[in-house]
Amino acid sequence: DQQVKQNSPSLSVQEGRISILNCDYTNSMFDYFLWYKKYPAEGPTFLISISSIKDKNEDGRFTVFLNKSAKHLSLHIVPSQPGDSAVYFCAASALQGAQKLVFGQGTRLTINP
Amino acid sequence: DADVTQTPRNRITKTGKRIMLECSQTKGHDRMYWYRQDPGLGLRLIYYSFDVKDINKGEISDGYSVSRQAQAKFSLSLESAIPNQTALYFCATIILSPTGRSYEQYFGPGTRLTVT
Repeated sequence: DQQVKQNSPSLSVQEGRISILNCDYTNSMFDYFLWYKKYPAEGPTFLISISSIKDKNEDGRFTVFLNKSAKHLSLHIVPSQPGDSAVYFCAASALQGAQKLVFGQGTRLTINP
Repeated sequence: DADVTQTPRNRITKTGKRIMLECSQTKGHDRMYWYRQDPGLGLRLIYYSFDVKDINKGEISDGYSVSRQAQAKFSLSLESAIPNQTALYFCATIILSPTGRSYEQYFGPGTRLTVT
């Protein structure tokens, strides 16, 4: 039972364009969502988060959108840069309690020059 | 200096051997977590700890045990390693915002474990 799903294993985008990574969840108890970036041989690095009281959170080139009714979130990267090439994980949890993250399978983003 | 460190970074071991993976953090956080990553499955929670006296099972704790020796140290043991425990293992800590409305989880660099 995959509670958090990233249905695109990979995505290729041209440098300078927008990258859109998608994530769906099924558990209505989730009210806090995070995006992580992971390079090979490194641990995941926190990028941006959003709580369910918001529908958008922006940090520089990164914006996360949350559609609670559709149980869907997306990460927008504008403009995309070669250094953005990595695997991106979305994760979800209940803000109260143990903060146990449930991760999606990851999307490998490749930015082409 | 890294805030969350893991040792060893790579380990190859044989089926049936006992192995310990160690995690240390310098952030002074109370909460520590162990995850494993398998290809195509993302990260899954093995165990977590809120303090030295509090240990909790995660989603996939069978075949694993943990020890919280101090606030800064959280070790993961495989009592009798088996090949399907071959994976990347990550330790993490967490910090809650003062309002409790957000948090960030910091991950170590990972341990690549191969069980032959």
